[in-house]
Amino acid sequence: DVKVTQSSRYLVKRTGEKVFLECVQDMDHENMFWYRQDPGLGLRLIYFSYDVKMKEKGDIPEGYSVSREKKERFSLILESASTNQTSMYLCASSSWTSGRGGRGEQYFGPGTRLTVT
Amino acid sequence: RKEVEQDPGPFNVPEGATVAFNCTYSNSASQSFFWYRQDCRKEPKLLMSVYSSGNEDGRFTAQLNRASQYISLLIRDSKLSDSATYLCVVRNFNKFYFGSGTKLNVKP
Repeated sequence: DVKVTQSSRYLVKRTGEKVFLECVQDMDHENMFWYRQDPGLGLRLIYFSYDVKMKEKGDIPEGYSVSREKKERFSLILESASTNQTSMYLCASSSWTSGRGGRGEQYFGPGTRLTVT
Repeated sequence: RKEVEQDPGPFNVPEGATVAFNCTYSNSASQSFFWYRQDCRKEPKLLMSVYSSGNEDGRFTAQLNRASQYISLLIRDSKLSDSATYLCVVRNFNKFYFGSGTKLNVKP
């Protein structure tokens, strides 16, 4: 059974704090993604990584950075948390291409609800 | 123009009804297509991939029309447990594009 795990389900942080969100996948997927989801705005891509130490900016990278030191782990860092970063953060992974019995679909972690006060 | 467009709904249907969702995508080079289901305050979960020839999984049927850049999902004999938001997702190389989701409410 495929599995993507995230370090916390709920997190409350203060403005200005540095925040680390961790994601681990056990499917040997090359690609990993960080999204945020807000009511009325849908899923928005923050960053993605297609290989260890590789990263690409998504649609809303400002205020965030990422780290991928190992294939199975992708971290999202909020350098200085602000109230407008209060959101649901979703990590996902996918294989490089279709194959291995699938079509390269994404699998999501359970999400982290971050509140910045 | 958005990469993937969906009718946001909500679709309010009685149990046992048949309901269809539609989705259009803008990039004709897109390679893979999916429907995801998302329950309130939960993560999206893969419902089914969409194949060019169309495919069925129990009460769910997905269709793809590449010429019209159109994807559909048909749910037959709706159950209360089908109430959720359904996301149309299109993959182009290693990026995924999500529709805003269509909300389905199945009523007793």
